[in-house]
Amino acid sequence: KNEVEQSPQNLTAQEGEFITINCSYSVGISALHWLQQHPGGGIVSLFMLSSGKKKHGRLIATINIQEKHSSLHITASHPRDSAVYICAVTSRGGSQGNLIFGKGTKLSVKP
Amino acid sequence: EAEVAQSPRYKITEKSQAVAFWCDPISGHATLYWYRQILGQGPELLVQFQDESVVDDSQLPKDRFSAERLKGVDSTLKIQPAELGDSAMYLCASSPRGERGYGYADTQYFGPGTRLTVL
Repeated sequence: KNEVEQSPQNLTAQEGEFITINCSYSVGISALHWLQQHPGGGIVSLFMLSSGKKKHGRLIATINIQEKHSSLHITASHPRDSAVYICAVTSRGGSQGNLIFGKGTKLSVKP
Repeated sequence: EAEVAQSPRYKITEKSQAVAFWCDPISGHATLYWYRQILGQGPELLVQFQDESVVDDSQLPKDRFSAERLKGVDSTLKIQPAELGDSAMYLCASSPRGERGYGYADTQYFGPGTRLTVL
């Protein structure tokens, strides 16, 4: 079983829809990251959080430490949001700074 | 805005050939990571450097892969000989020192990656 699980694996939405991507993890963490990877391959860090909630523009990330669960929400989705969204955690006690990655959620937003 | 640079962006090679990838981290970043990402999977760590020292290379296939960061700045990842299963995206990332000037910071900054195809 992977230490970081994401759902869904693939998601297709219509422009304007509210989107939720979920991430569950099974290890103790010091931080959780949401990353965005566009078809060209480059990865951009969206959020790093260890508690509560963060918001940046139309993106919102939440984390529940007790339940070991995080969600990434996109409001008023747009075709340019189409990308792979990856959840990753920095585990406590693991090799310093290493990220453990989920397999990613491929989002496609149709106009 | 400072970025992590990688080259080449794309590489096609035949199996049994040698390939090399280069990464230049953001200036001043002490920690450098090389990841391999197979299509449809999340990245997996190959090697982590802190300055010029290897912190973790436990997942690096050392019979064919090597990595160096001689002066603690840029880094080279080499595969010799390449195999069909090495076809993947190779990502480099860097992070600054921790808040107290040592260790590592959690945020990693990723380069654009090198897509390797082995024929």
